[in-house]
Amino acid sequence: DAKTTQPPSMDCAEGRAANLPCNHSTISGNEYVYWYRQIHSQGPQYIIHGLKNNETNEMASLIITEDRKSSTLILPHATLRDTAVYYCIVEGVGGANNLFFGTGTRLTVIP
Amino acid sequence: DAGVIQSPRHEVTEMGQEVTLRCKPISGHDYLFWYRQTMMRGLELLIYFNNNVPIDDSGMPEDRFSAKMPNASFSTLKIQPSEPRDSAVYFCASSPPGQGASEQYFGPGTRLTVT
Repeated sequence: DAKTTQPPSMDCAEGRAANLPCNHSTISGNEYVYWYRQIHSQGPQYIIHGLKNNETNEMASLIITEDRKSSTLILPHATLRDTAVYYCIVEGVGGANNLFFGTGTRLTVIP
Repeated sequence: DAGVIQSPRHEVTEMGQEVTLRCKPISGHDYLFWYRQTMMRGLELLIYFNNNVPIDDSGMPEDRFSAKMPNASFSTLKIQPSEPRDSAVYFCASSPPGQGASEQYFGPGTRLTVT
């Protein structure tokens, strides 16, 4: 069952920040928000995850609203290599059997 | 680290033949996952193991599919007999202990074509 809603596609100019939204209005208190991406013809790649607080790593930042019903993945300076399908996944720890990738957002970075 | 290794990268076989896909997880990871990806159905979890033991195989489409993990560094997904509708990209992924099972590292996939 889909627990998240994402726009099917987005464009972003190279060098600008890419902001990818995700709605997860039915998220429960012990569920994390994960982001993965899949570059064409490659396996999915883990990006970042969070529970309540905003998170940042070398790839991206994750902003989670206070009510946890939505989140935004931010790629601060998008490059052409960031063109991919981005998946927002809601999952509890240890719930790997319910990892559902959905259809994601196809991000195209434009030169 | 070499990452998750899958072989072969491409496989073309005729309907009715047995197909075996192979996976070597990242050393030290104790979860291993098999996925299938098609245009129609997207990315689907087939089965996953923890410490070499199958935990959930509810995603395995039918009895023609079987998976084994004889040791911590090797797993196979077998299809016997294969059918054209099994054509897909099959991904193996592994996850480290203590990180939460959903932080998964994927291999490059095996593209299977059944004619």
